Amino acid sequence: EAGVAQSPRYKIIEKRQSVAFWCNPISGHATLYWYQQILGQGPKLLIQFQNNGVVDDSQLPKDRFSAERLKGVDSTLKIQPAKLEDSAVYLCASSLDYREGIEAFFGQGTRLTVV
Amino acid sequence: AQTVTQSQPEMSVQEAETVTLSCTYDTSESDYYLFWYKQPPSRQMILVIRQEAYKQQNATENRFSVNFQKAAKSFSLKISDSQLGDAAMYFCAYRPYTDKLIFGTGTRLQVFP
Repeated sequence: EAGVAQSPRYKIIEKRQSVAFWCNPISGHATLYWYQQILGQGPKLLIQFQNNGVVDDSQLPKDRFSAERLKGVDSTLKIQPAKLEDSAVYLCASSLDYREGIEAFFGQGTRLTVV
Repeated sequence: AQTVTQSQPEMSVQEAETVTLSCTYDTSESDYYLFWYKQPPSRQMILVIRQEAYKQQNATENRFSVNFQKAAKSFSLKISDSQLGDAAMYFCAYRPYTDKLIFGTGTRLQVFP
């Protein structure tokens, strides 16, 4: 079974530029999560999708971050414009259905450096 | 507020020995899940073990076992017969049944030959 795929693995941009990350969840998984992991901290949920609907985006900085999950499969997370404090690893995860209590499977993440 | 606390930023253990990583959490929920995830340098979070709060029996997965104390809101991970490949960041995580996963700040485990 293929795991959660993310791209790119690494990205370096200047502040005020824009960047996008892509995630392909495990086939058949209805729930998709984007987490932000700042160095030295645990991951923090940015947004959670159930199919193509948003379940929780309470910690997403909506003035600069946006995410979509078209057709309930792949997802993209965008930052525009980026700030220095956005430097972090962005992890995508998926699960069969968060209501069923099934654990989430994580991708390898994208390490973003904003200079 | 629901929080997860890992009070040990770093731990070390000798190969073949046993180590215990601590985790406490704060919640008013009675039903929830608890997890330990391992994050090697590759950055991918790998599930090590999970525990349902309604189960009194402690979960075990090969060399990994937990000590779940619901009243004390404590969830420690014991790694027996430590191996070099166990070296990684370990995150304790809490999740109410239909809510988001909340992670602790992690414990870096070093394994010495």
